[in-house]
Amino acid sequence: QKEVEQNSGPLSVPEGAIASLNCTYSDRGSQSFFWYRQYSGKSPELIMSIYSNGDKEDGRFTAQLNKASQYVSLLIRDSQPSDSATYLCAVSLGSGYSTLTFGKGTMLLVSP
Amino acid sequence: KAGVTQTPRYLIKTRGQQVTLSCSPISGHRSVSWYQQTPGQGLQFLFEYFSETQRNKGNFPGRFSGRQFSNSRSEMNVSTLELGDSALYLCASSLDSGPYGYTFGSGTRLTVV
Repeated sequence: QKEVEQNSGPLSVPEGAIASLNCTYSDRGSQSFFWYRQYSGKSPELIMSIYSNGDKEDGRFTAQLNKASQYVSLLIRDSQPSDSATYLCAVSLGSGYSTLTFGKGTMLLVSP
Repeated sequence: KAGVTQTPRYLIKTRGQQVTLSCSPISGHRSVSWYQQTPGQGLQFLFEYFSETQRNKGNFPGRFSGRQFSNSRSEMNVSTLELGDSALYLCASSLDSGPYGYTFGSGTRLTVV
């Protein structure tokens, strides 16, 4: 059974701090990794994708992947109250495999 | 550019009834996937359609079915509704089959009473 594990939180950080969200996955064959943000009552929105080991930066967001440790993380720098949401980690076997296995999400609360 | 459109947004049904949900993908997107989201289980994959063919199916009972039309619009059907089917049903579309740039619709909130 493919599993994706996330700490449910809530993770509380003050405005301007770095928020660190973590995710582990069980299937060593996983090739594609995604972070989605979901505001309360809204649908998930893709914010980052990463396919190879290392870091990938996009604005205030950095995704980190370590396939040997089966670990994905998302760093949010200069956190803003508008970043308060649930962050979903999703994993796929890769090209041609469109099925995503989602973690249950980590709720992030950024206080002003 | 229009996003993924799901209808209806909200639905209340009685146990034993059946329901049909609709999803219109982004223009040009040929892949449509359906997910069920509940507080307890999170997002769970139902099935994926690509060019009118079901390519993948999740671990859901046969009461859950779907189809895709030639214009890529998709429908999912749930027969003999149970209380546990109450959930947010999300449709996601992408250009090709493969987890690249999934865009989710706003979802259909189904309540079974």
